[in-house]
Amino acid sequence: AQSVTQLDSHVSVSEGTPVLLRCNYSSSYSPSLFWYVQHPNKGLQLLLKYTSAATLVKGINGFEAEFKKSETSFHLTKPSAHMSDAAEYFCVVSEGDMRFGAGTRLTVKP
Amino acid sequence: EAGVAQSPRYKIIEKRQSVAFWCNPISGHATLYWYQQILGQGPKLLIQFQNNGVVDDSQLPKDRFSAERLKGVDSTLKIQPAKLEDSAVYLCASSYTNRGRKETQYFGPGTRLLVL
Repeated sequence: AQSVTQLDSHVSVSEGTPVLLRCNYSSSYSPSLFWYVQHPNKGLQLLLKYTSAATLVKGINGFEAEFKKSETSFHLTKPSAHMSDAAEYFCVVSEGDMRFGAGTRLTVKP
Repeated sequence: EAGVAQSPRYKIIEKRQSVAFWCNPISGHATLYWYQQILGQGPKLLIQFQNNGVVDDSQLPKDRFSAERLKGVDSTLKIQPAKLEDSAVYLCASSYTNRGRKETQYFGPGTRLLVL
């Protein structure tokens, strides 16, 4: 069965500095991988998804993620953080049903 | 395009009471999902419908939770009787088809339940 581990429960960065949110997955097959963002009191919004096409996936709001099969990782990055990026981020692996990670809370300091 | 609608947004009840949540998916989406998100955790799938049929309810606590999607459009999730550990956000999501792992799910704002 598939599973996903988000390596950091909380990440804090300064505005304008790079963001790195780490995600490792376990899957028996070639999985689909997603990153979702959840702002307070709002629904989950899809940032990007990987479905066995290009390994570098570009998403909304300047985020991107790279699928590395050898490392079983799908880390989320952004070159320059904005205050509006502060939210909870979820890495998701899917072989059929979706399994969510525990989430990483991103804090952006002015 | 209207998103996934859920109501109520917040609900406070006492333990042993019953409660119901409603979800209206994006128009044309055949697949509907209910998730439970406990504070500090990622969402956990409770039940998945394809049109008006249940695809997966393996993680639904069937002694107290029930869900239906009678006409294959909107859906209701019920808890009866509620326990303290049911305090969570209940998320509804929908997707266009049931192509499984590649399908993007669109989420509603959730219903935050507090059981006292």
